Order: sequence, then structure tokens, then C-alpha cells
Amino acid sequence: DAGVIQSPRHEVTEMGQEVTLRCKPISGHNSLFWYRQTMMRGLELLIYFNNNVPIDDSGMPEDRFSAKMPNASFSTLKIQPSEPRDSAVYFCASRSPGDYTEAFFGQGTRLTVV
Amino acid sequence: QKEVEQNSGPLSVPEGAIASLNCTYSDRGSQSFFWYRQYSGKSPELIMSIYSNGDKEDGRFTAQLNKASQYVSLLIRDSQPSDSATYLCAVNKASGNTPLVFGKGTRLSVIA
Repeated sequence: DAGVIQSPRHEVTEMGQEVTLRCKPISGHNSLFWYRQTMMRGLELLIYFNNNVPIDDSGMPEDRFSAKMPNASFSTLKIQPSEPRDSAVYFCASRSPGDYTEAFFGQGTRLTVV
Repeated sequence: QKEVEQNSGPLSVPEGAIASLNCTYSDRGSQSFFWYRQYSGKSPELIMSIYSNGDKEDGRFTAQLNKASQYVSLLIRDSQPSDSATYLCAVNKASGNTPLVFGKGTRLSVIA
């Protein structure tokens, strides 16, 4: 398996523009997580899905953020409009079913909003 | 109290020494515990998991869990410069596919 695949790896955009981050989880994993990592706050959970259904989006900072998982092999995180404070590394991770399974991370998307 | 706490470091140890990384968690019902390593500019990767009280060894790495004290640790024996990274402690608070909660990480520097 190729692991969790995220795109793009790097994104530089101007304030006010829409940004869409993409994630393909590992086949057979039924949970998908979007995290944001900054120096100040570490890894923060934004939202997670079980079996393509959003379970908890309480970590989404504002209504400017939205996420979808239309099928088991694809998810998007959208920021509209983007702001400089959204600059961070965004990670997607997936887990297989079970109480003791680990989360596998994608390579991340480094977002810079100027 | 933060859910998962770690000293941010940096923790500096000489090559060949034992590095000891510590983590405490607030939810007494937490089920499983993980140590991830993250190199600068890379994504976190799992190095150890532990579910029961006691020690678990894997090569140069030993994870220790004390649920009564809500404490998890990672020991790295014979530390190498290639072990220099940030180590993230993660906790699964409940059964089922719930998210891992991460500490902010401890930065380890192994000096040659």
C-alpha cells in the first residue's frame, strides 16, 4: 500500500483565496482524521470521519473551514476565504478498525497564506 | 490541565547514552498509548505502542506504562545522532475508532 496520500505537498496562496487540501486514506481504514500542526499549538484535531460520516468537527476553528468525505477513498479540507493565521502544516491520518490500532499519517500539506 | 503533557525540551544527551522521554495524560479511562517520532519537515511515524501496565521493549526502545500514575515513558538506549527528532506521545481516550490526542512533543538532540 502507498500509505496515506495528501496533495498538494505545498500550497502558497493569497489571503482571501479558497484552498482545497486532498487526502486518500489507506485502503481498508475506516477512520480518517484531519490535524493541523503549528509550533505554538502542536498537533490539533480538526475533524474526523468514521465510515465516511463526520463524527466530530468541534476542532474546526471557524466556519471558513469545511471538510467532506464523499467515499471511503477520498476526503477534502477546504478553507474559504483563507487568512494568514491559517498558515500551518495540515496532516491527514487514517486508522483501521479496532481499539488499539495506530494512526498512519500522510506527508502533510504545508500551507502558507500571504 | 492539558489532556496530554510532555516537556518540550530540548533534551540533549550524548551519543550512546539513554534518553528518557516522559508523558502524562489526564483521562484515567484512556485505553492505548503511542509514541511517534517526527523528523523536521516530515510526518509523524509510529515507533512504539503500549496498552498494558509495565514495560514493552523493541530493539533500543522501551515503552513504560503506569496507568495508576497516568504516566507513559519512552527510553532510548544507545542513543544515536539519527534519533534526534521530536517525539510525540499520543493517547487513545476511548474504545472504538476515536482520534488520538497528541502532546506537543519533546525535542531530542543526540550529540555526537
